[in-house]
Amino acid sequence: DSGVTQTPKHLITATGQRVTLRCSPRSGDLSVYWYQQSLDQGLQFLIQYYNGEERAKGNILERFSAQQFPDLHSELNLSSLELGDSALYFCASSARDRGTGGNTIYFGEGSWLTVV
Amino acid sequence: LAKTTQPISMDSYEGQEVNITCSHNNIATNDYITWYQQFPSQGPRFIIQGYKTKVTNEVASLFIPADRKSSTLSLPRVSLSDTAVYYCLVGDIPGTGTASKLTFGTGTRLQVTL
Repeated sequence: DSGVTQTPKHLITATGQRVTLRCSPRSGDLSVYWYQQSLDQGLQFLIQYYNGEERAKGNILERFSAQQFPDLHSELNLSSLELGDSALYFCASSARDRGTGGNTIYFGEGSWLTVV
Repeated sequence: LAKTTQPISMDSYEGQEVNITCSHNNIATNDYITWYQQFPSQGPRFIIQGYKTKVTNEVASLFIPADRKSSTLSLPRVSLSDTAVYYCLVGDIPGTGTASKLTFGTGTRLQVTL
């Protein structure tokens, strides 16, 4: 258990609809990252938040948006859904590795989105 | 983040030691080297992290030469359950508010058989 919680685990929705994916980072982690992984594809970075503010943006579609709330949980909003948006969406939060002194990121188990 | 190069796939028999090498020629002074394991339909799982020389934990060892332009993840006596994709991530992962597009490469698909 990484400590990063994502809901829902599975979601099936129709094209054109809008969904919201939720992420609770590890306790105390201020940074949250969102990734998309389509079937047999690599992890595509979408966006990073730190303490409520957007910090970095990847190849995130304009139909997608995210935010991080004062309690540090984050939501990824996907709208006007298309078949190609079907994927696993991962949330991750970063923390300091006590052994090395560097930071690392811990991933949740993902939210499976199927658009039909 | 430093660009990384790993083999696309590797095969091994159960019980063997597996070494996966990652090249990262333009690693920066502040960069750490972190390895992740991902099973199908699951989130990547942190395996090990290092900065220089050798790091060992209960799961794996990480060897980093003095020039830090490459690193080798060593999995001792693999089992069927080690079949997964292994990612090498090189960079200064921010714990602060620094912007960072943490980008994973294609990873190495390890297949372990009997």
